[in-house]
Amino acid sequence: DAGVIQSPRHEVTEMGQEVTLRCKPISGHDYLFWYRQTMMRGLELLIYFNNNVPIDDSGMPEDRFSAKMPNASFSTLKIQPSEPRDSAVYFCASSFKGIGVREKLFFGSGTQLSVL
Amino acid sequence: GQQVMQIPQYQHVQEGEDFTTYCNSSTTLSNIQWYKQRPGGHPVFLIQLVKSGEVKKQKRLTFQFGEAKKNSSLHITATQTTDVGTYFCAQDQTGANNLFFGTGTRLTVIP
Repeated sequence: DAGVIQSPRHEVTEMGQEVTLRCKPISGHDYLFWYRQTMMRGLELLIYFNNNVPIDDSGMPEDRFSAKMPNASFSTLKIQPSEPRDSAVYFCASSFKGIGVREKLFFGSGTQLSVL
Repeated sequence: GQQVMQIPQYQHVQEGEDFTTYCNSSTTLSNIQWYKQRPGGHPVFLIQLVKSGEVKKQKRLTFQFGEAKKNSSLHITATQTTDVGTYFCAQDQTGANNLFFGTGTRLTVIP
């Protein structure tokens, strides 16, 4: 298995532009998570999906952020319009639901976003 | 929100010295996970603890879950340069399938 695949690896954009980050979870995993990592705030959970349905988006910072999961093999995180303070590494992770136990997360390599 | 405090924030050790990081929660945990992130990399799962007082070992790494299930620790014996990275604990909300990460402890090993 190729693992969780994220694209692009690096994104540099100007303030005000729309940014779309992409994620392909591991096949068979029914949970997908989006995290943001910065030095100041650490690893923040933005949103997670179960069977393509958003379960908890309370971590999404503002209305400028939106996430979708149109099918089991693809998810997007969109920022519109982007701002310099959105600069961070964005990770996607997936897992499957164990019976009675929490399963481990598999992370993608992340997207390094720089908003100028 | 979730309160997942980790101490210390940073730790520099000489190669061969031991290292410990602690994770403390304001609430009783159903389970706790530990992850390691190498510099420039992504978090990688190390272990999960579920039972009160549980102790698990992976070679030089020892993981412990407190009796009250409110704290956990990761101890590395005789650190090596390959241990460099940030170690995170992670917990979920009871009844939920989210996962919140601690603040992390960044370990530097001086050869």
